[in-house]
Amino acid sequence: NAGVMQNPRHLVRRRGQEARLRCSPMKGHSHVYWYRQLPEEGLKFMVYLQKENIIDESGMPKERFSAEFPKEGPSILRIQQVVRGDSAAYFCASSPGVSTNEKLFFGSGTQLSVL
Amino acid sequence: QKEVEQDPGPLSVPEGAIVSLNCTYSNSAFQYFMWYRQYSRKGPELLMYTYSSGNKEDGRFTAQVDKSSKYISLFIRDSQPSDSATYLCAMSEQGGSEKLVFGKGTKLTVNP
Repeated sequence: NAGVMQNPRHLVRRRGQEARLRCSPMKGHSHVYWYRQLPEEGLKFMVYLQKENIIDESGMPKERFSAEFPKEGPSILRIQQVVRGDSAAYFCASSPGVSTNEKLFFGSGTQLSVL
Repeated sequence: QKEVEQDPGPLSVPEGAIVSLNCTYSNSAFQYFMWYRQYSRKGPELLMYTYSSGNKEDGRFTAQVDKSSKYISLFIRDSQPSDSATYLCAMSEQGGSEKLVFGKGTKLTVNP
């Protein structure tokens, strides 16, 4: 049973370009979470999605960032017009559902570097 | 004041030592407390999960929560070089899978 798969592992973009980060949850998991880890900072919640629905996007920057989890295919975190401050490790996590004992399983992350 | 405070270390101990890792928090609504281990260039892995105050033991790991002091701890007994990693505390108000608030992490090195 493959774990949470994120790709690419490393992504380099120039300022103003778009970044697309992909996350395939564990088999049987319908809940996806995106977290960002800035240098010298802890993991920060960004967004929580179920299939075709955004449940909580309270951690998403108001502009340039969007996320989706379509009925078919991986979840996508999209960053438009990237700036240097977007350089960070982006982690995706998945769970089978929401209950008090559900574990979050994390992927290995995508390291985004903005030149 | 940050919601969750965690000393980033680094912390270096000899093999076999008892390791104590701690976090403090300010949000009294937190009810679920977790410890994650993160190896270099990997995602966090859940180690311990605790609801409300009390102790929980799993092998060499013991998690303690003191809600009255807003203080949580992770103890590692008989530490091994394979325990070398960054340890993140995390907490949430509701269920364990919902929006987690993480500490910055403490980098631990166990020397053989």
